[in-house]
Amino acid sequence: DVKVTQSSRYLVKRTGEKVFLECVQDMDHENMFWYRQDPGLGLRLIYFSYDVKMKEKGDIPEGYSVSREKKERFSLILESASTNQTSMYLCASIAGGSGGSYEQYFGPGTRLTVT
Amino acid sequence: GESVGLHLPTLSVQEGDNSIINCAYSNSASDYFIWYKQESGKGPQFIIDIRSNMDKRQGQRVTVLLNKTVKHLSLQIAATQPGDSAVYFCAEGGRGAQKLVFGQGTRLTINP
Repeated sequence: DVKVTQSSRYLVKRTGEKVFLECVQDMDHENMFWYRQDPGLGLRLIYFSYDVKMKEKGDIPEGYSVSREKKERFSLILESASTNQTSMYLCASIAGGSGGSYEQYFGPGTRLTVT
Repeated sequence: GESVGLHLPTLSVQEGDNSIINCAYSNSASDYFIWYKQESGKGPQFIIDIRSNMDKRQGQRVTVLLNKTVKHLSLQIAATQPGDSAVYFCAEGGRGAQKLVFGQGTRLTINP
């Protein structure tokens, strides 16, 4: 079974703090993704990475950065947390290459509250 | 019962009835479509997928229908059970790419 784990299920941070959200997958997947999920807006892509040290902006990258130093780990960084970043954050991964399934495997999510 | 996806984000059906959840996708070049189920407090889970060269695919109690002419996707759930209560998302992806675009989601509630 593919497993995607996220470092925290719930997190409360203060405005201006630097926040790290960690994601680890155990299936040697090349591609990893960070989404945020808000009521009525569905899943929105923040950043994704298709290889170690590679990253691409998604639809809403502002206020976020990412790090992929190892294949299995993809970190989302909020440089200076703001209240509008209060959300559910979901990490996903998928094997690389075309022709196969594009099923993304999701972690359980981290509910971040910024006060 | 039937929803129209983005315009009716909630759907209530009686236990044992069939459910149809609809989704209008945006990109006529999309090659791959997938349905996810998300239960409260959990990440999305894969249900079923379909490629653009097909118009129907069946799984266990679920069927996905694809109408490329009107860019419409539907998920049919047969004999709904209480465990089917969740939010259902459709997603579309381009040819050869792993990046997906997700719909808003539809909340399905099963009434006893």
